[in-house]
Order: sequence, then C-alpha cells, then structure tokens
Amino acid sequence: EDKVVQSPLSLVVHEGDTVTLNCSYEVTNFRSLLWYKQEKKAPTFLFMLTSSGIEKKSGRLSSILDKKELSSILNITATQTGDSAIYLCAVLRGQNFVFGPGTRLSVLP
Amino acid sequence: KAGVTQTPRYLIKTRGQQVTLSCSPISGHRSVSWYQQTPGQGLQFLFEYFSETQRNKGNFPGRFSGRQFSNSRSEMNVSTLELGDSALYLCASSLVVGGASEAFFGQGTRLTVV
Repeated sequence: EDKVVQSPLSLVVHEGDTVTLNCSYEVTNFRSLLWYKQEKKAPTFLFMLTSSGIEKKSGRLSSILDKKELSSILNITATQTGDSAIYLCAVLRGQNFVFGPGTRLSVLP
Repeated sequence: KAGVTQTPRYLIKTRGQQVTLSCSPISGHRSVSWYQQTPGQGLQFLFEYFSETQRNKGNFPGRFSGRQFSNSRSEMNVSTLELGDSALYLCASSLVVGGASEAFFGQGTRLTVV
C-alpha cells in the first residue's frame, strides 16, 4: 500500500531557530513530491521536486529530494512566528496525490 | 483572479442525513479534486473530475459521490452520514488532470456529523 510518512509530527521551536522536516515515501509510479503549508484551511503550494539532488529555494525555505532514499527534507532557517503551520508532504503517483500526516510546526516568539 | 470557492464553509448534519458540498474552481481550471482531512487520517484523496468525467478515485465507500458540471463547478455528495464523516473537505482545482504545482486549494467545508 502506498504511504507517505512525515517526521516529526509536531515541533516547537523559538524564533530564529532552524528546522528540518522529513518526508519519506513508498509509492508506485512516483512522479513528483510536493510540499504544502497549511495555516488555517487551504494548503498553499511551496515546492515541487522531481529530480534527485536539486535543491529548490524560496527565501528562508529550501527543499531537496533523494530518490535513492525515497525521502525529502524541508528546511526553514531563521524561523518566524508566521512560519507556524502544518507542513504537508504529498507524493504524486500517477495522477493521484498521496499525502503524509503533516508536521505541525509552532514557532514561539 | 478569484480563487477556489467552497460552499458552505461550515455544516452540521445528523447521522443518516445526506449532504452536498460545492466547489467552484479558478476560472479556466477544468480539473477539480476532492479531499477529506481528519486529524487521525490526514488528507485523503476522494476523487478527481475533469471535463465532467470522474478520472480518478480514492478508496472511499460508495456513499461518497461527486459530479462536475459543464462550467467545471463540482459537487460532492455524502449519503447516509456517519459520525466518522466529520472532517474538513477540501477541493483543489488545476488546469489539467493530476496538475501538481498548479493545484490551488479552497478554504474547505467543515462538516460536523452529530
């Protein structure tokens, strides 16, 4: 059965800290891996990763895919309270998404 | 341009009833996908519609059904509601089937079954 696992499930840090969120997957017909940020309700797209070893960056956020290890990490440097959210990892297999349970990040002032 | 619109935002139903949720995609988007999000199961794929046809389906019972209209608006119906159907129902629209980075989510409908 296809599955996406994220760790940790919950994380509390202080502003300025750097965090690393993990996502691992076991899916057939892998096409790409995506990261979303969910603050209230609607997840918003962060990154799509298709090739191994190529880092995607957006401001303080960066992500990379390791297809050999079937995993990805999402890094957030110099965290801010506005980074508090659930970070969802999703794998596109065929034409369906399989989502992980999410990591709940809380950034304290 | 306007985002994905879901109505209603909140809904309370009793067991055994049925419910219909609506999703209006971003203008020009022809694919609408539906997801159920619960604390225990996370975000799970229900089905995807494109050009009024169901293209993909997740592992949900037949009580969950949907349809898409010619203007790409989609409805999701849940019959014979159970307590476990309480969840946030999200829809996402994209230009193409399985569209990845172009998928935009609506704010969701929070369904509570009592």
